[in-house]
Amino acid sequence: EVQLVQSGADVKKPGEPLIISCKGFGYSFTNYWIGWVRQMPGKGLECMGTIYPGDSDTRYNPSFQGQVTISADKSISTAFLQWNSLQASDTAIYYCARRNYYDVKGRGWYFDLWGRGTLVTVSS
Amino acid sequence: DIQMTQSPSSVSASVGDRVTITCRASQGISSWLAWYQQKPGKAPKLLIYATSTLQSGVPSRFSGSGSGTDFTLAIGSLQPEDFATYYCQQSNSLPLTFGGGTRVEIK
Repeated sequence: EVQLVQSGADVKKPGEPLIISCKGFGYSFTNYWIGWVRQMPGKGLECMGTIYPGDSDTRYNPSFQGQVTISADKSISTAFLQWNSLQASDTAIYYCARRNYYDVKGRGWYFDLWGRGTLVTVSS
Repeated sequence: DIQMTQSPSSVSASVGDRVTITCRASQGISSWLAWYQQKPGKAPKLLIYATSTLQSGVPSRFSGSGSGTDFTLAIGSLQPEDFATYYCQQSNSLPLTFGGGTRVEIK
């Protein structure tokens, strides 16, 4: 089955580090960009950045640059989202999603396959 | 960044009603717009991409239109399973940005 499987929910204290993961099944993981999308409690969707697992080319949303690190290990078909020092404001659900495109020039990006999300709670 | 503004933020409707949701971009995005549906506690689900192309498996009562800065998602005859929050997303330029969402509620 084609799916993205995310790591489980986590509860951390402010200042702690965290890595969450997203593993792809059933398709060529190295051929599609993976995006990370944040959803804060009761709020909308924000794309944090994307990574191409084939060569680890990474594009950050400037709003998240320096706050998180996106990486991938193509040998295990897994993408990662990492924090060095969490803050309470990082409390959110984090989704990974596969980015596909519409035309032969690679334009018209959209997220066609989503993980179930990882709930990260940061509280003292 | 391109700002995406959805209206209304919420709408109350009955089963069988036609519902339209509008998404406006802060600058032209050609036809690079997608729509997603999200139900409580679930991940978003892709409905439409490139303004009007229906994702496989999505019912034909969903349709999209528009170009440039103004776009519309229409639900032809609202079904019980359509009560959810809908988001638009532009991909004309990075960073990819979403609208604030439109909640479709039962009247």
